[in-house]
Amino acid sequence: GDSVTQMEGPVTLSEEAFLTINCTYTATGYPSLFWYVQYPGEGLQLLLKATKADDKGSNKGFEATYRKETTSFHLEKGSVQVSDSAVYFCALSDRGSSNTGKLIFGQGTTLQVKP
Amino acid sequence: DVKVTQSSRYLVKRTGEKVFLECVQDMDHENMFWYRQDPGLGLRLIYFSYDVKMKEKGDIPEGYSVSREKKERFSLILESASTNQTSMYLCASRTSSYEQYFGPGTRLTVT
Repeated sequence: GDSVTQMEGPVTLSEEAFLTINCTYTATGYPSLFWYVQYPGEGLQLLLKATKADDKGSNKGFEATYRKETTSFHLEKGSVQVSDSAVYFCALSDRGSSNTGKLIFGQGTTLQVKP
Repeated sequence: DVKVTQSSRYLVKRTGEKVFLECVQDMDHENMFWYRQDPGLGLRLIYFSYDVKMKEKGDIPEGYSVSREKKERFSLILESASTNQTSMYLCASRTSSYEQYFGPGTRLTVT
């Protein structure tokens, strides 16, 4: 079945460092890809998305490019801030025959940014 | 902005009690979802609904049921709560472009 694999955390960075969180997927259909962020004690917030190959999603300085050839959707940010400390989830939504839009999540990667 | 609300942020119940978790969305979405989130296990889909009175089991439906009497409201029911149902419960609704929007979550403790 479809699956998402994220790099294990926690990831600890200093403020203004470059961030990459790796995400790869396995899917039989043509999924949409998402990054969600979860701040402590809160629900998940949609960070960015991409719906087809070579699409780049971006929001709040974060970017991710849908790479079909490597089945990847890595999250990047050029300069992280303390306020970016959170758990980040990569997810895919199968838009195939079932059409339910069920999300399949990676395990989540905890990011801690130190001042 | 899409708004998804959940009836409680924190809930403590006793083993064997019947528990209702309520979720309301204000964007007229047809599809709604219930997940549970546990450390080391990530998010797992319990049930989803694609229309009023229509529902389908997710990956871990055992011990749960759902109700969708109105489009904006999707309820998760624990028929007889057990300690292994202590978890964070997250509700979401889905747009036509497959984005899911989540509520703030209910942290349920069953003692």
